[in-house]
Amino acid sequence: DAKTTQPTSMDCAEGRAANLPCNHSTISGNEYVYWYRQIHSQGPQYIIHGLKNNETNEMASLIITEDRKSSTLILPHATLRDTAVYYCIVRERFFGNEKLTFGTGTRLTIIP
Amino acid sequence: SAVISQKPSRDICQRGTSLTIQCQVDSQVTMMFWYRQQPGQSLTLIATANQGSEATYESGFVIDKFPISRPNLTFSTLTVSNMSPEDSSIYLCSVVAGHLANTGELFFGEGSRLTVL
Repeated sequence: DAKTTQPTSMDCAEGRAANLPCNHSTISGNEYVYWYRQIHSQGPQYIIHGLKNNETNEMASLIITEDRKSSTLILPHATLRDTAVYYCIVRERFFGNEKLTFGTGTRLTIIP
Repeated sequence: SAVISQKPSRDICQRGTSLTIQCQVDSQVTMMFWYRQQPGQSLTLIATANQGSEATYESGFVIDKFPISRPNLTFSTLTVSNMSPEDSSIYLCSVVAGHLANTGELFFGEGSRLTVL
């Protein structure tokens, strides 16, 4: 079963920051939070991941709460090409076999 | 990073037939995963395919229906056997890559869109 909870859909105006929340209240100490997105008819694309510190790369920022029970993905200046389904995933590691379990994701629509 | 090529990209098949999907990676990877994405749904893990061992299937998926081969570190196949319309989905191959195994990124192919009539 997926271990994350995300809103089903969100809208964001073009040029504004898109903030996508994710709850992962049962996350364990050695599990990472990963974010992927899937643009229509394409394979999922890696965005960013983190353990407990905030992370930033060329695509986005990831803010993880101190208790690690939730996080927020920030797209600082959303463009129309950011319209996609965004998946927040907690990474499991089980006897060396690493699995990613996808939830339902958030469908983000960037409005012109 | 890893570049993943899947074949076929799409196919239309008849009920009762089988289709084999190929996944080719441009680098050697230990772990490969096969996912299914039914229309309008999220991704569901079918199995983990590690080279040199039998594939590990998730609950609800069995080897007789989805046999997997992993002959080397750059290639895998997934067969969808005795297909029915309920098998109409996108099938995605993915691999873990990265210099730090514990935080390796998961890369995906573009998927194989299967329609069963």
